Amino acid sequence: GAGVSQTPSNKVTEKGKYVELRCDPISGHTALYWYRQSLGQGPEFLIYFQGTGAADDSGLPNDRFFAVRPEGSVSTLKIQRTERGDSAVYLCASSLLTTSGRIHEQYFGPGTRLTVT
Amino acid sequence: RKEVEQDPGPFNVPEGATVAFNCTYSNSASQSFFWYRQDCRKEPKLLMSVYSSGNEDGRFTAQLNRASQYISLLIRDSKLSDSATYLCVVNLYYGQNFVFGPGTRLSVLP
Repeated sequence: GAGVSQTPSNKVTEKGKYVELRCDPISGHTALYWYRQSLGQGPEFLIYFQGTGAADDSGLPNDRFFAVRPEGSVSTLKIQRTERGDSAVYLCASSLLTTSGRIHEQYFGPGTRLTVT
Repeated sequence: RKEVEQDPGPFNVPEGATVAFNCTYSNSASQSFFWYRQDCRKEPKLLMSVYSSGNEDGRFTAQLNRASQYISLLIRDSKLSDSATYLCVVNLYYGQNFVFGPGTRLSVLP
């Protein structure tokens, strides 16, 4: 079946511009995560959705970053007034919702490589 | 101190060698633990969960020591295809807020 997809695969933008990154999770996965990964580092947690609501947005670095998931499926990560330091690979992952003592595997998308010039 | 720390690497080992990776975590309330594998310029994929009693999957063995807040991954009879970065992952709040370590890169040489 289809895995997690992310678009675009690459995005080059100028400093100060606005960007949107899209994530299409595996069908039926209620949990959705956004991470950011810089070269030589592990993924850094940004935000976690249970259904339509953001259950934990503690990883968003500042108020330039915002994410939505209006219908509980596709999610969009929005970055305003981009800065060069925002350059990274943005990864999305989805999973079944944790139930009765079982944490389900996260399936990652291929990521969006964002370059801010 | 970082929440999750790993051996800095890289590890360069010959085929057939046994290699061990170490990981420590700072939050004693951490709930669950995992090892992920990430190939170059690819997304991370789950290698195995880590259970309190330790667990084995073929050539891979994971151990957890909650008292020392330490996790390990042992790879026996390493293959060329094992070359990748291995990420230690800790789940702080049940089912959410997964914290990834920086990863340890492994190169298995012919």
